[in-house]
Amino acid sequence: QVTLKESGPVLVKPTETLTLTCTVSGFSLSNARMGVSWIRQPPGKALEWLAHIFSNDEKSYSTSLKSRLTISKDTSKSQVVLTMTNMDPVDTATYYCTRILFSVAGTVYFDYWGQGTLVTVSS
Amino acid sequence: EIVLMQSPGTLSLSPGERATLSCRASQSVSSSYLAWYQHKPGQAPRLLIYGASSRATGIPDRFSGSGSGTDFTLTISRLEPEDFAVYYCQLYRSSLWTFGQGTKVEIK
Repeated sequence: QVTLKESGPVLVKPTETLTLTCTVSGFSLSNARMGVSWIRQPPGKALEWLAHIFSNDEKSYSTSLKSRLTISKDTSKSQVVLTMTNMDPVDTATYYCTRILFSVAGTVYFDYWGQGTLVTVSS
Repeated sequence: EIVLMQSPGTLSLSPGERATLSCRASQSVSSSYLAWYQHKPGQAPRLLIYGASSRATGIPDRFSGSGSGTDFTLTISRLEPEDFAVYYCQLYRSSLWTFGQGTKVEIK
């Protein structure tokens, strides 16, 4: 059974750095056909992709947030960590981690999602 | 960077009616990398369609996807009460992922 679970602070202050952890089970972060992505949704707004990391440690970031984001993984712990610097109230959102699956047919998509964690940025 | 435009923003329909949701890309894209998700309040989004037209595991056959190039469509043939939600199209290209702004399907 594949599961992903986000953990981290529920409240951060402006200018602080947010660190979120995604703990996965039911698959390995070393699986060449899989990766993990972070996605967020501000209240009342659309989903926004943030970053991904693949089994070969390839990383990619949202163009607009690239300077503030760092993604990493610890395969032995089955964890993916996202850090976002210089947090602002506009970063208040539910943050999701998802599994990326590259199918044998050549398609790619997010097939499993965590339940999400609401992070509020406020002083 | 490719932009995905979804229309309409809101679709007001009754149970049993047909829903047609549009997703238009700002340039031609590979259908292999186009997916649709359903999102209900307080829940994680759920994969419905991948590769533009393949239903994900466990998704009822009233959901179907079609399209190619720049124009893609999600169709719900007969709306069930549990189908009222927000729907997003999503694209992967050049190591970047893009979501449309969503279409809300609400009860009329």
